[in-house]
Amino acid sequence: DVKVTQSSRYLVKRTGEKVFLECVQDMDHENMFWYRQDPGLGLRLIYFSYDVKMKEKGDIPEGYSVSREKKERFSLILESASTNQTSMYLCASSFPDLRQGPSGANVLTFGAGSRLTVL
Amino acid sequence: GESVGLHLPTLSVQEGDNSIINCAYSNSASDYFIWYKQESGKGPQFIIDIRSNMDKRQGQRVTVLLNKTVKHLSLQIAATQPGDSAVYFCAALRGWGKLQFGAGTQVVVTP
Repeated sequence: DVKVTQSSRYLVKRTGEKVFLECVQDMDHENMFWYRQDPGLGLRLIYFSYDVKMKEKGDIPEGYSVSREKKERFSLILESASTNQTSMYLCASSFPDLRQGPSGANVLTFGAGSRLTVL
Repeated sequence: GESVGLHLPTLSVQEGDNSIINCAYSNSASDYFIWYKQESGKGPQFIIDIRSNMDKRQGQRVTVLLNKTVKHLSLQIAATQPGDSAVYFCAALRGWGKLQFGAGTQVVVTP
C-alpha cells in the first residue's frame, strides 16, 4: 500500500513562529501536494510539486512556502504563523496522470493530516 | 473560476437505506472525477472514479452517476451501514494531476 506519512498529527504554535510540516511518501510518486482543509470549504490547494526542486503555487499560497529537496519528501513552511492559518493540513502524492492505469491506481493518496493550532 | 460544490453539508440516513450524495461542477472541460471518503481522524480515501466518456460506474455497494449536460455527479451508497458514516468529497480533475474538491457532505447513519 502507498503510504504518505505526515510527521506531526497535532501542533500548537504561537503567532509569529516558523512552522515546518513534513510529508514523506514511499511509492516513488512524482507529484506531491499540500492541501488545507477547513469546515465548509473543502480541500484547497496550497502548493504542489511535479519533481524535485520544482514547485507551483496552488489556489491559496499566501503565507506559505514549500521545499522539495528529495523526491519522497515535501515540506510546507509557514514563515510567520498567524491565527488564520489554524487548520487541518493534508499532504498527498500521486503519479503524474491520475487517469492512467486501473481504476483508482493513480489517484491522489493522502496522509492522515496535521492539525495546526496557532495561538 | 472553477468550482466544485456539494448540495448538502449533512445527510442523515437510516441504516439499511440507500444514500445519495450530489455534486455539481463548473468546468465543462473536466474529464475525470473522483469520490473520496474521509473518516474521522484520517485522510481522504479513494472510493470510486469516473471518466467523462461514461455515464455510470459501479463498485462495491457504490455507484457514481455523471450527467455532463447539467455538470452534475452523484454517489449512491446501497444499504448504508454505520461504517459509511464519514465526510464524502467529490473532486474534478482540473489540470495535470490537480484536483478541485467540493466542500464535502457529512453522512450520518442512524440506527
